[in-house]
Amino acid sequence: DAGVIQSPRHEVTEMGQEVTLRCKPISGHNSLFWYRQTMMRGLELLIYFNNNVPIDDSGMPEDRFSAKMPNASFSTLKIQPSEPRDSAVYFCASSRQTNTGELFFGEGSRLTVL
Amino acid sequence: SQELEQSPQSLIVQEGKNLTINCTSSKTLYGLYWYKQKYGEGLIFLMMLQKGGEEKSHEKITAKLDEKKQQSSLHITASQPSHAGIYLCGPGYGGATNKLIFGTGTLLAVQP
Repeated sequence: DAGVIQSPRHEVTEMGQEVTLRCKPISGHNSLFWYRQTMMRGLELLIYFNNNVPIDDSGMPEDRFSAKMPNASFSTLKIQPSEPRDSAVYFCASSRQTNTGELFFGEGSRLTVL
Repeated sequence: SQELEQSPQSLIVQEGKNLTINCTSSKTLYGLYWYKQKYGEGLIFLMMLQKGGEEKSHEKITAKLDEKKQQSSLHITASQPSHAGIYLCGPGYGGATNKLIFGTGTLLAVQP
């Protein structure tokens, strides 16, 4: 079975450019999460969706970040404009909406903003 | 603010040795989850604890949750190089949400 699929795996861009990260959750999973991981701050929850609806976006750093989930099989995380401090690995994860705490993670998108 | 503290932050052990990683919360948890991350990869779910005093084992890894549901330990017996990675604990808060945040992580290296 296919796991959570993220793209791109690596992205290098210049400050000020728009960045779009994509995620395809596991089929049948109702919850989707976006995390960011850095050495300094560890793994931070940015936003999560239940049934395509954003439930908690309190972790989104600022207005430059936005996330959408237009349907059950696709989500995007957009940064506009990007800044060097946004450099991190961004993970997408999905789970069944059963509160088991078992999340399935993608392999991450490593973003470098120069 | 960081609601979970893990200790130690990093650990180097010789292959075959036992080790313990701790996760402490300042408030009572609904549940506690352990994950493992290998370098350059996503997190992999290990196990979940929900009841005070609960203990679970998977292969050579045992996790326990204390009676007050504020502290958990992860114990690895006879460590192997395959156990190397970052171990993270994550709390579940309440039954109405499946929001999951993580502790600071413990980096484990196992020397052959």
